[in-house]
Amino acid sequence: DAKTTQPTSMDCAEGRAANLPCNHSTISGNEYVYWYRQIHSQGPQYIIHGLKNNETNEMASLIITEDRKSSTLILPHATLRDTAVYYCIVRSGTSYGKLTFGQGTILTVHP
Amino acid sequence: SQTIHQWPATLVQPVGSPLSLECTVEGTSNPNLYWYRQAAGRGLQLLFYSVGIGQISSEVPQNLSASRPQDRQFILSSKKLLLSDSGFYLCAWSVAAASYEQYFGPGTRLTVT
Repeated sequence: DAKTTQPTSMDCAEGRAANLPCNHSTISGNEYVYWYRQIHSQGPQYIIHGLKNNETNEMASLIITEDRKSSTLILPHATLRDTAVYYCIVRSGTSYGKLTFGQGTILTVHP
Repeated sequence: SQTIHQWPATLVQPVGSPLSLECTVEGTSNPNLYWYRQAAGRGLQLLFYSVGIGQISSEVPQNLSASRPQDRQFILSSKKLLLSDSGFYLCAWSVAAASYEQYFGPGTRLTVT
């Protein structure tokens, strides 16, 4: 599985867009990019995933570069409740879906 | 809609005592089920996964075991707890055809003393 690199921490002002980068330069053609987040003392929460095209859902947008070597998770209007650890995971399809969580990015949203 | 339950929420157990954590999923059939552990300040580690009743695969050798007696029930057990078993235990489920879109329960925080 491709290795991912994320900044250790980021800050964002409440109401502004939070842009969380992820590098995955060794990604292969059949690997998807997944994003999860974990709010303190809770289980991880699935956010979004994508293969090649940009994706948007009610929580966030995922922008994947054309060469697929990096991606950005965008929270369009960050709130205090978005403060969490954000994990970028790259995986290909298998029968059971083992997720490997790295250290992620600690996003702190300030008032 | 689908929901996942775990209990207990917190647990303090002495070294050498047995353990049983339960996870149940509602609103879906034949899910893939997973047990993860998160040690303090560490990332999540997959312990077991199951693609069906009675089908358990172990990812990490340890003194824990898992069972799936019913389609939507997943149990994590130990005969004798070790101090190193302390951590945050999370159960998750996924639709078999979309295995990386996993949905996690609230977790059980286990402290072994």
